[in-house]
Amino acid sequence: DADVTQTPRNRITKTGKRIMLECSQTKGHDRMYWYRQDPGLGLRLIYYSFDVKDINKGEISDGYSVSRQAQAKFSLSLESAIPNQTALYFCATSDSPGAQPGNEQFFGPGTRLTVL
Amino acid sequence: KQEVTQIPAALSVPEGENLVLNCSFTDSAIYNLQWFRQDPGKGLTSLLLIQSSQREQTSGRLNASLDKSSGRSTLYIAASQPGDSATYLCAVFSGNTGKLIFGQGTTLQVKP
Repeated sequence: DADVTQTPRNRITKTGKRIMLECSQTKGHDRMYWYRQDPGLGLRLIYYSFDVKDINKGEISDGYSVSRQAQAKFSLSLESAIPNQTALYFCATSDSPGAQPGNEQFFGPGTRLTVL
Repeated sequence: KQEVTQIPAALSVPEGENLVLNCSFTDSAIYNLQWFRQDPGKGLTSLLLIQSSQREQTSGRLNASLDKSSGRSTLYIAASQPGDSATYLCAVFSGNTGKLIFGQGTTLQVKP
């Protein structure tokens, strides 16, 4: 079984709809991240969480919210989806800096979201 | 602000050739640097992680080097194969923020 899983893998929705993307991990890592990938713009960080009680905004958090339900689960929500949120979304996890190898990030398979 | 650049954006080589992918970063105060592989429409697979105190890491036919002072890393692929065709991304981890800053990637095509 994959260490980092994302659901759904593909989603097509309409402008204004609320969407939730879910991420689960079995690696036992404290840190979890949400990125989006756009052609020509690369990967950009949306939100990250160092533990269940610690959530931080990344570069492009506007229009998104997150929930860290447990150490193993981190969800990304689009409250009112818009077409420019069409992208490939990735969840990632990493261990804390003091551990070895420390900070290597492991990515899920991605969710392809299309907002019409 | 940390910026990561990968050159070239695309590379096409015949099978069997040895090749080097380049990554440069503007702020040398990095914690580590990570190389990833991404197949079209797929997730990222971690290839190599180099800590800031290390000069290189090796895994099979892959060798990654790091020169912090010059802000450069290279990924060397020996005896390339068609299965190596993918996009290769480098990312630097700066400080204790948990943030990876990615380059745009180099898309590699290895022709049989």
